[in-house]
Amino acid sequence: DAGVIQSPRHEVTEMGQEVTLRCKPISGHNSLFWYRQTMMRGLELLIYFNNNVPIDDSGMPEDRFSAKMPNASFSTLKIQPSEPRDSAVYFCASNRGSGNTIYFGEGSWLTVV
Amino acid sequence: AQSVAQPEDQVNVAEGNPLTVKCTYSVSGNPYLFWYVQYPNRGLQFLLKYITGDNLVKGSYGFEAEFNKSQTSFHLKKPSALVSDSALYFCAVRPHPSYSGAGSYQLTFGKGTKLSVIP
Repeated sequence: DAGVIQSPRHEVTEMGQEVTLRCKPISGHNSLFWYRQTMMRGLELLIYFNNNVPIDDSGMPEDRFSAKMPNASFSTLKIQPSEPRDSAVYFCASNRGSGNTIYFGEGSWLTVV
Repeated sequence: AQSVAQPEDQVNVAEGNPLTVKCTYSVSGNPYLFWYVQYPNRGLQFLLKYITGDNLVKGSYGFEAEFNKSQTSFHLKKPSALVSDSALYFCAVRPHPSYSGAGSYQLTFGKGTKLSVIP
């Protein structure tokens, strides 16, 4: 099993630029989560998809953030325009159905300067 | 809404000694409880989980955790710490899948406890 695959692993970008983070969940998993990790706020759930449909996006900080899941094997998290306060580690995670263990990717480490 | 408390930001333990990382939780209904470990510059790795049954759960790398319903706790333990166990440990909780209220799918994490094992 390849695990959850995220890209890029590291990104440094200038304020105002668009950032796109990508995720491939574990094959067969039908739930996908995007989390953000910062020192100040810890791990925050940004958005949850089930069967490719966004179920809860209440954690998305503002309209600059958007996420899509066009098919069962791919999701994107986009920030446009990016700001320095968006600097964080963004994790994608997936699981197979309610209650099962959630598995995390290695994260995308974003720095906005 | 569910919540997790990890009362210690940091735990220091000598190599070979037993270790405990504390976790208490609040959730509607019966809980599903998890421990994850994060090594520097890495993602979260699943260690173990409690769903039902035996209150003592065994997981990866020799770790175990004890579920205590009356104290709403799920402390992580290991009989003999290794230097390589040094990492950030997260406790997490979600409601039992039979719970259909708001956020029923959501895994809520504690703020993490940094474990340092001293040679």
